[in-house]
Amino acid sequence: QSALTQPASVSGSPGQAITISCTGTSSDVGSNNVVSWYQQHPGKAPKLMIYEGSKRPSGVSNRLSGSKSGNTASLTISGLQAEDEADYYCCSYAVGSPVVFGGGTRLTVL
Amino acid sequence: QVQLVESGGGLVKPGGSLRLSCAASGFSFSDYYMSWIRQAPGKGLEWVSHISTSTSYTSYADSVKGRFTISRDNAKNSLYLQMNSLRAEDTAIYYCASLGYCGSTNCRVGEFEYWGQGTVVTVSS
Repeated sequence: QSALTQPASVSGSPGQAITISCTGTSSDVGSNNVVSWYQQHPGKAPKLMIYEGSKRPSGVSNRLSGSKSGNTASLTISGLQAEDEADYYCCSYAVGSPVVFGGGTRLTVL
Repeated sequence: QVQLVESGGGLVKPGGSLRLSCAASGFSFSDYYMSWIRQAPGKGLEWVSHISTSTSYTSYADSVKGRFTISRDNAKNSLYLQMNSLRAEDTAIYYCASLGYCGSTNCRVGEFEYWGQGTVVTVSS
């Protein structure tokens, strides 16, 4: 049950776009596993931002988008805003397998 | 309005036991896979366990297998986590979360849509 690999931190200026990568293996991200992304502000519970790799729940800004290529999933946030500053986690799920989270990425809006 | 409210956390000595509860409301609890996820102080998220709608299937992280037991009572809209043989490394905020809908006509499991606010477990002598 190895954690998925995310950069520890990323940063960007307001209005810019950033991408957070989430690298796994051919057994998790690279297979038919379901990938999701979560945002967590300090002292708060995580919030689902992307599910099934690229779908946004109702109410989540369309500035967020998810994608996957090979063993790497990505979360892109465009038009950065101060409220986007938070920790972000990717997650991989498959029936009959352990759920695996990434180590988390702290996004700083400069 | 969906609500998940955890309770049962606290301070316990190494080797001790605790039982966490999660009370659900505002959604069809019995049709959802449910899970426990924890977060150690200053650390990332760690999946602990999940359970299917009918309790027929459970899964555990290697770090808690044999020590923790997940269960649910659909009549009471409640999820539980029995934690035995607790260790210092079990110290964390424990979140209750839904893992997806699996009803009579369709099933979509794989993302943690609803979350509680967490309950703090501290294992220390």
